[in-house]
Amino acid sequence: QSVMTQTPSASGAPGQRVTISCSGSSSNIGSNHVYWYQQVPGTAPKVLIYRVDQRPSGVPDRFSGSKSGTSASLAISGLRSEDEADYYCAAWNGSLRGWVFGGGTKLTVL
Amino acid sequence: QVRLEESGGGFVKPGGSLRLSCTVSGFTFGDYYMSWIRQAPGKGLEWIAYISSFSDIIYYADSVRGRFTVSRDNARNSLYLQMNSLRAEDTAMYFCARETEWLDKWGQGTLVTVSS
Repeated sequence: QSVMTQTPSASGAPGQRVTISCSGSSSNIGSNHVYWYQQVPGTAPKVLIYRVDQRPSGVPDRFSGSKSGTSASLAISGLRSEDEADYYCAAWNGSLRGWVFGGGTKLTVL
Repeated sequence: QVRLEESGGGFVKPGGSLRLSCTVSGFTFGDYYMSWIRQAPGKGLEWIAYISSFSDIIYYADSVRGRFTVSRDNARNSLYLQMNSLRAEDTAMYFCARETEWLDKWGQGTLVTVSS
């Protein structure tokens, strides 16, 4: 059972916009930055969003992040087939002194 | 370019031990904190250990504290995870990751299977 909660699955047609949510607590999202990782099955996770809403170079601006209180969201616009992957939110948890991840959201592009 | 490569995974019986290694290249290893993260088959990511550049700050997840030990050798550009008293629930892909402010670079993982 993950410390942070994500909806297990999401889907959308090519070109559509989907939003993936992550619910945490005051010990993690509420007091620290949020990060989003994309993992294509069989490969290592790759950071998509850092510090809540920043994109590393090479990540398309179709990906955007936001945070409000103890929750965060990842939005993907203009869905493409290559976006089909698992998405994880992450934050440092001060009370646990470690990283915590959401349970992951499997995105299906219809 | 930045590269992290895990090794040492394999098949072990419950109660057994295994030592994982993570060898890095393409950056100054001693400048970075490092973490180990694992992923059970078909499951999500679980952070398990964190070590500072000079090994003076070490944290563990409750699930492995007292059984696993993280260490590093900056001269050898290597990170280690000594795993003792292994249980079936430790079966997972084990990743090492570099820390900047976040886990910015990951290795491809090494698989540990604990079964009788």
